[in-house]
Amino acid sequence: SAVISQKPSRDICQRGTSLTIQCQVDSQVTMMFWYRQQPGQSLTLIATANQGSEATYESGFVIDKFPISRPNLTFSTLTVSNMSPEDSSIYLCSVEKGLAGGFEQFFGPGTRLTVL
Amino acid sequence: EDQVTQSPEALRLQEGESSSLNCSYTVSGLRGLFWYRQDPGKGPEFLFTLYSAGEEKEKERLKATLTKKESFLHITAPKPEDSATYLCAVQFGNQFYFGTGTSLTVIP
Repeated sequence: SAVISQKPSRDICQRGTSLTIQCQVDSQVTMMFWYRQQPGQSLTLIATANQGSEATYESGFVIDKFPISRPNLTFSTLTVSNMSPEDSSIYLCSVEKGLAGGFEQFFGPGTRLTVL
Repeated sequence: EDQVTQSPEALRLQEGESSSLNCSYTVSGLRGLFWYRQDPGKGPEFLFTLYSAGEEKEKERLKATLTKKESFLHITAPKPEDSATYLCAVQFGNQFYFGTGTSLTVIP
């Protein structure tokens, strides 16, 4: 398995500011993912972050709004820039780990963001 | 078009009353189908990955099965601590598509 921690666990921010969320994994992983889960909805993939390359963003998400860093195989950050109330959501980091004959995907505890 | 559909949206069971949750998908070239449990205020907890039609996996009171277009999560003799939202996700290449979940409440 993988143990994933996120900081901060929650934050309340003012409109127009930015917040950087950290994700730390207890083992080296190739692929890390950032998701958003808006109230009452399921998870939406924001981007895939591979170490040593630019993050790959999903449709509707852009690097200027959600810059991502992946400096090594155990750490990543997601910044939510120029925030608005519509960015209020839970942001989740996840990793994929290969197993013999398959793979599993694990999630961090999430960062609950409220934008006023 | 929704890639993953879960039903029912919500389910209330008496303790010990077995039932099944459904996850149907429309993507082709499935790489894997995932089941997760999510408690309020927490990240999803991995339960199972299924890879091919006919595959089954079990964990305690949970059993997941997979066909070509859907998966079932069977809950046998549930207990109140099984109350949670159960999420299904499918992976096609590096794309993940999540369903909206089934909120399960088990009443003592």
